[in-house]
Amino acid sequence: DSGVTQTPKHLITATGQRVTLRCSPRSGDLSVYWYQQSLDQGLQFLIQYYNGEERAKGNILERFSAQQFPDLHSELNLSSLELGDSALYFCASSTGTGGFNEQFFGPGTRLTVL
Amino acid sequence: DQQVKQNSPSLSVQEGRISILNCDYTNSMFDYFLWYKKYPAEGPTFLISISSIKDKNEDGRFTVFLNKSAKHLSLHIVPSQPGDSAVYFCAARWDTGNQFYFGTGTSLTVIP
Repeated sequence: DSGVTQTPKHLITATGQRVTLRCSPRSGDLSVYWYQQSLDQGLQFLIQYYNGEERAKGNILERFSAQQFPDLHSELNLSSLELGDSALYFCASSTGTGGFNEQFFGPGTRLTVL
Repeated sequence: DQQVKQNSPSLSVQEGRISILNCDYTNSMFDYFLWYKKYPAEGPTFLISISSIKDKNEDGRFTVFLNKSAKHLSLHIVPSQPGDSAVYFCAARWDTGNQFYFGTGTSLTVIP
């Protein structure tokens, strides 16, 4: 158990809908990262937050947004969903940002868009 | 553009033998490399890392080798055990950025 929790574990929805994925980092970790893993793809970095502020942005679509709340949990919002958004979404946390901070991953949320 | 590549989607090895997983990268700015291991229905877990100032890092049965001139790293597992069966991802980053770049993973099966 990495100490990172993600809810829900599975989510099935329809095209055009909006969903929210939730992540609680390990106790004491200030950084939260979101990744997308599509079929036969590696983990694609989406976005990082550090202590409530956006720190780095990867290949995140404009239809996607995220935020980190004062209690340090984070939410990833996916809107106008398309079939191609079906994927595993992982959240990871680390103590800091920059340097060689190990990232601890949650179990992921499997999103299926029908 | 996949900056970190794992060209072997799968690998099967007999228990007790050596497993060698390979990873290639394109960005010469990468200065830190990691291997993650992933079991089904779980998130990836950190396995071993190497800084670009080294060419080898060892941790028990796991050794990572880095060849900067070839932009290639490999993970050696000796001896391989059935519990090592998992998907292995390599990842890279450069210190000025917070973004990790992951490969597509290699599924290792260790046959008892």
